[in-house]
Amino acid sequence: GIQVEQSPPDLILQEGANSTLRCNFSDSVNNLQWFHQNPWGQLINLFYIPSGTKQNGRLSATTVATERYSLLYISSSQTTDSGVYFCAVDSGGSNYKLTFGKGTLLTVNP
Amino acid sequence: NAGVTQTPKFQVLKTGQSMTLQCAQDMNHNSMYWYRQDPGMGLRLIYYSASEGTTDKGEVPNGYNVSRLNKREFSLRLESAAPSQTSVYFCTTTGYYEQYFGPGTRLTVT
Repeated sequence: GIQVEQSPPDLILQEGANSTLRCNFSDSVNNLQWFHQNPWGQLINLFYIPSGTKQNGRLSATTVATERYSLLYISSSQTTDSGVYFCAVDSGGSNYKLTFGKGTLLTVNP
Repeated sequence: NAGVTQTPKFQVLKTGQSMTLQCAQDMNHNSMYWYRQDPGMGLRLIYYSASEGTTDKGEVPNGYNVSRLNKREFSLRLESAAPSQTSVYFCTTTGYYEQYFGPGTRLTVT
């Protein structure tokens, strides 16, 4: 099956800093999503982005499908950005089964 | 509009006991999924249901059964719990592409 690798596995920032999280995948995809899991365990969808660039406030994401990677940018980080960021992909079919990476643990210190 | 709800939130079982995790969604989505999350492993698909009346195995189905009771409800059953099933279980749903998560059930098998 498709492989999903995220880097870095851990990241520690000071409040106000910028960061880039990366997701590499091993096959072509028709669905790529970024999720944030907060420290209480809740998972929230950030972006559906199989290709191109999207922005939502301080967060933006870019997927270069031809080169099989996606980047999540966090600007002016806040302590509430802390948590685990997951990339998940679906390589085809109509069942939208996602394969998740192992995540990037982000800690933003005040 | 509650989105995706799961019960119970926490459960402790002894080895060999059985239980059913309940999931309901009010988003009128066809597809529903059960994932488990283990430390360092990301999320792995257990079973999914593309529509009412259909279910299929995911990546890690052994030891589990599911029922798609109607369009709203999708339950996960552990017939004889094992310590390896200690995990956090998430129910998700999707309309077209974006996945929406329930709050999770934290299960401990002793």
